[in-house]
Amino acid sequence: SQELEQSPQSLIVQEGKNLTINCTSSKTLYGLYWYKQKYGEGLIFLMMLQKGGEEKSHEKITAKLDEKKQQSSLHITASQPSHAGTYLCGADLNSGYSTLTFGKGTMLLVSP
Amino acid sequence: DTGVSQDPRHKITKRGQNVTFRCDPISEHNRLYWYRQTLGQGPEFLTYFQNEAQLEKSRLLSDRFSAERPKGSFSTLEIQRTEQGDSAMYLCASSLRLSLAELNTGELFFGEGSRLTVL
Repeated sequence: SQELEQSPQSLIVQEGKNLTINCTSSKTLYGLYWYKQKYGEGLIFLMMLQKGGEEKSHEKITAKLDEKKQQSSLHITASQPSHAGTYLCGADLNSGYSTLTFGKGTMLLVSP
Repeated sequence: DTGVSQDPRHKITKRGQNVTFRCDPISEHNRLYWYRQTLGQGPEFLTYFQNEAQLEKSRLLSDRFSAERPKGSFSTLEIQRTEQGDSAMYLCASSLRLSLAELNTGELFFGEGSRLTVL
């Protein structure tokens, strides 16, 4: 079973609309990271959340961490074509490896 | 550009051949990671180095895979006797961690990846 579940798997939104992507962990979170990936390219770091209730924003993207629910959400306000790509959450899960475990990603398409 | 660089970007090979990928991390970074990513999946951890020491290896890293970081700078990932199931994007990432006591992984800086196709 997947340790990090992302929902939805894919999303098509009209330009200008808001959207939310969720990431839920089956294990205790020691740190939650959001990355963006364009097809065939590497991952670009967006934000890191460490404490329950923490919220960070960068431009029109806001991420929140709910430690009790072992969940994080990524919210994009007034989406633009430049937001298109795959959003991946990664986490420190203390699952035996000193590295990040990733979800499968959420593919976002923004239609004009 | 002082980011993480990977070479080659694309490699097509026949089953049974050996392939080697190279990763040059950001120069002051002491940690280097290798991940594998297949279509529609998130990156899966393979191995990581702290300086030249290989500290962890995933169970995904079969005995056909070997990784080195001889001088604590660049790293190579070699796959021997490639199989079609090895077809994937191989991603390298680096980070700076000043102490092993730092529990969080911290921000990983990824390269563009090396895409392997095994025919």
